[in-house]
Amino acid sequence: KQEVTQIPAALSVPEGENLVLNCSFTDSAIYNLQWFRQDPGKGLTSLLLIQSSQREQTSGRLNASLDKSSGRSTLYIAASQPGDSATYLCAVRVKAAGNKLTFGGGTRVLVKP
Amino acid sequence: DGGITQSPKYLFRKEGQNVTLSCEQNLNHDAMYWYRQDPGQGLRLIYYSQIVNDFQKGDIAEGYSVSREKKESFPLTVTSAQKNPTAFYLCASSISRDGYTFGSGTRLTVV
Repeated sequence: KQEVTQIPAALSVPEGENLVLNCSFTDSAIYNLQWFRQDPGKGLTSLLLIQSSQREQTSGRLNASLDKSSGRSTLYIAASQPGDSATYLCAVRVKAAGNKLTFGGGTRVLVKP
Repeated sequence: DGGITQSPKYLFRKEGQNVTLSCEQNLNHDAMYWYRQDPGQGLRLIYYSQIVNDFQKGDIAEGYSVSREKKESFPLTVTSAQKNPTAFYLCASSISRDGYTFGSGTRLTVV
């Protein structure tokens, strides 16, 4: 059974510092990996989608890498801002029946002004 | 704008009552999903449907029921058999092996 782990569970940084969020998964038989942002009481907003054949994806200040063989992905957020404060979730789409999405527990980020 | 609409945003249920959460999408996605989110437990899959008139149980289906009569709609009923229904419920959709799109969620509280 696929397991997804995100470490650390919480992170606090001063404004301007780069953020590094880690995600690991146990089964490399995935179609893709997706990073989401969730604000308190809100739904999930998709940030980046990396297909299994890709090594990284970039959008603005966000960059996500994928190393499928080692079961790891890293989300980098450059020059953090207080508006980046949220919970970040990674999820992998497994190749098992149903192509279901398996989520990590999330990393709660606080960027202090 | 294409997207997923969940309603209502807040829902209150009395003991022994069935309630239905609505999920509608205009993305022309084939697959739809229901997740439950509890503090400290992450997202858990309740039910999913890959095509109209077909759906499968997820990891925590007991006490819930769904239907998929139209491609655009995937309502979730929380029955009286669900003993701890207070949670945040999220609906999602996807196409083929692409990424998921999520709705804004429904917060259900037992009163």
